[in-house]
Amino acid sequence: GQNIDQPTEMTATEGAIVQINCTYQTSGFNGLFWYQQHAGEAPTFLSYNVLDGLEEKGRFSSFLSRSKGYSYLLLKELQMKDSASYLCAVSDSNYQLIWGAGTKLIIKP
Amino acid sequence: DVKVTQSSRYLVKRTGEKVFLECVQDMDHENMFWYRQDPGLGLRLIYFSYDVKMKEKGDIPEGYSVSREKKERFSLILESASTNQTSMYLCASSEDASWGRGEAFFGQGTRLTVV
Repeated sequence: GQNIDQPTEMTATEGAIVQINCTYQTSGFNGLFWYQQHAGEAPTFLSYNVLDGLEEKGRFSSFLSRSKGYSYLLLKELQMKDSASYLCAVSDSNYQLIWGAGTKLIIKP
Repeated sequence: DVKVTQSSRYLVKRTGEKVFLECVQDMDHENMFWYRQDPGLGLRLIYFSYDVKMKEKGDIPEGYSVSREKKERFSLILESASTNQTSMYLCASSEDASWGRGEAFFGQGTRLTVV
């Protein structure tokens, strides 16, 4: 079966760095997405990785290792507004998106 | 900015009622999707549409149907609502060339409660 695993909840301190991991087992791979979803709001796109390596976009970076079936989202200089759920999704061989259950990130002052 | 608008944020319906959830996007996207989101589970695809009057079943289509009469509008229909359809429903759209490869734009969601 197809499976995406990510931690249910993480806590971090304002100003710190946090890494949210995502591991996947899918039939084929056509890219991995990260979305951010604030409580009661729509998910919004953060990043897309299809090749191995690190993609940096401001305070957020996303890493992919296809051989390990592994990705992480790195958030630097955490702000209170980063409190949200972070959703990992993989595009499989048919370009269907398989979604993880999401990681709820709590930022403390 | 791309906008995906769902007609209701909150709905309460009775068991057995026919329920319509409406979604409109303003970016001329080919692809539109209906997902449900439940605690502890990833987004699950109910139906998607890649063109007007075209539809494809997703992972959990049972108990649902859809309608796409116009490119910008994609409706989800619960033929006879049941309590296990209580959930958050999310509509999304994406450009044709990037389906499953690029950014999807989501609506705010409709929280449906069936009593």
